[in-house]
Parts: sequence; structure tokens; C-alpha cells
Amino acid sequence: AQSVTQLGSHVSVSEGALVLLRCNYSSSVPPYLFWYVQYPNQGLQLLLKYTSAATLVKGINGFEAEFKKSETSFHLTKPSAHMSDAAEYFCAVRASSGGSQGNLIFGKGTKLSVKP
Amino acid sequence: DTAVSQTPKYLVTQMGNDKSIKCEQNLGHDTMYWYKQDSKKFLKIMFSYNNKELIINETVPNRFSPKSPDKAHLNLHINSLELGDSAVYFCASSQDIRGGTRLSSYNEQFFGPGTRLTVL
Repeated sequence: AQSVTQLGSHVSVSEGALVLLRCNYSSSVPPYLFWYVQYPNQGLQLLLKYTSAATLVKGINGFEAEFKKSETSFHLTKPSAHMSDAAEYFCAVRASSGGSQGNLIFGKGTKLSVKP
Repeated sequence: DTAVSQTPKYLVTQMGNDKSIKCEQNLGHDTMYWYKQDSKKFLKIMFSYNNKELIINETVPNRFSPKSPDKAHLNLHINSLELGDSAVYFCASSQDIRGGTRLSSYNEQFFGPGTRLTVL
């Protein structure tokens, strides 16, 4: 069975500082990994995805993530935080075995706060 | 144009009532999903349909019944609502290729804006 763990339910950074949101996965097969962002009272928007091509994935709004198989990690980064980045961020792995194939298995989310 | 839409956005109702949430996607996708997000923001799959056929049915009470009249729509009907059903329900869609019982394509899922259900 696959799973995703997001370390830190709440991360606070200053505007202009580096953003690092951690995600570790567990999968017995090559994983397909995603980062989604949820702004207050809105649905989920895809930031980026890893589907076994390049290990460094660039997404929207200046975010990127690096797939590290040796560390089973897929951490999300952004060099310089902006106030508009304040939101909930979800890491997810695509289920690929058993009866639940195709759906996303989400981490518990990390709330990013950006201080002026 | 809205890619994945849900109605209503807010739904407040009494315990014991029956309610429906509608979802439509205009992306031409063949797979649609329902997820539940609880008060702690945890998201979990409920159902998945591929070309109007049920693919995933997680451990959801049978008071919840999805209905897919065509591949662009996946509605969620809930009978005898309970307090614990209060949550935000998200519809999503993706383009997947199904061979037998396996979904073999891994495109991203597009989410609707969510329906906040409050059961009093």
C-alpha cells in the first residue's frame, strides 16, 4: 500500500525567505507524485507532478520539487516566499495497486503562513 | 469556462434529510472522483467512476450513493444525513486509460471548488 507523510502541519516563513515543505512517500512501485495547493475556501490546484521523467520538477508560481528515490522524498521548495503563497499544501501519491487504483492518496497537509 | 463545477457550494440541512450534490466537468475526461475533506483538512477518496462505471468504492456507508448519468457528470446522493457527514466534498476528474480493471494513465486530477455540507 502507498502512503504519504508530510512533516510539519504548519510552516511559517517571512516574505522573501525560502519555502521548504517536506513530503515523504512509501510505495512498492515507482510512484507518481503530486503537489496541490488549496487557498482558503477554494478547491485544489495542481502545483506540479512527478511521473518518472526528470527528477527536478518545476511547477507554477515559482515552486519546484525534487524526487529523491534514496530518501523517498518529494519536498516542495520556492526560493522566495510571497504573501500570496499562504495556503494549505498537499502532497499526494497516485494509488497503483489493489482495488483503489487511480485515486490520489493525500498527506495531511501543511499550512504555510507568510509573515510580512 | 469552469472545468469542474459543483452545486451547491454550501449546503446546510437537518439530520435525517436526504440531499444531493452535483458535479459536472467539461474537460472531456473519462474518470471522475468524489473526495471528502474533514474538519482537519484530511482528504480521502470516496468513489471513482470511469466511463460511468464504478471503479473505486472505499469504506463509505451505503447511505452515500454516487450516480453517473454520463461521463461528464458524477452526482453524490446522501440519505439520512448524520452529524458526522459534515465536511467539504470535492469532485475531481482526470483522463485515464482503462485496460481491464486497471487504470494505466497517470494524468493529474482537476478538482472542483468543493461543497461545504453542514448537518445540524
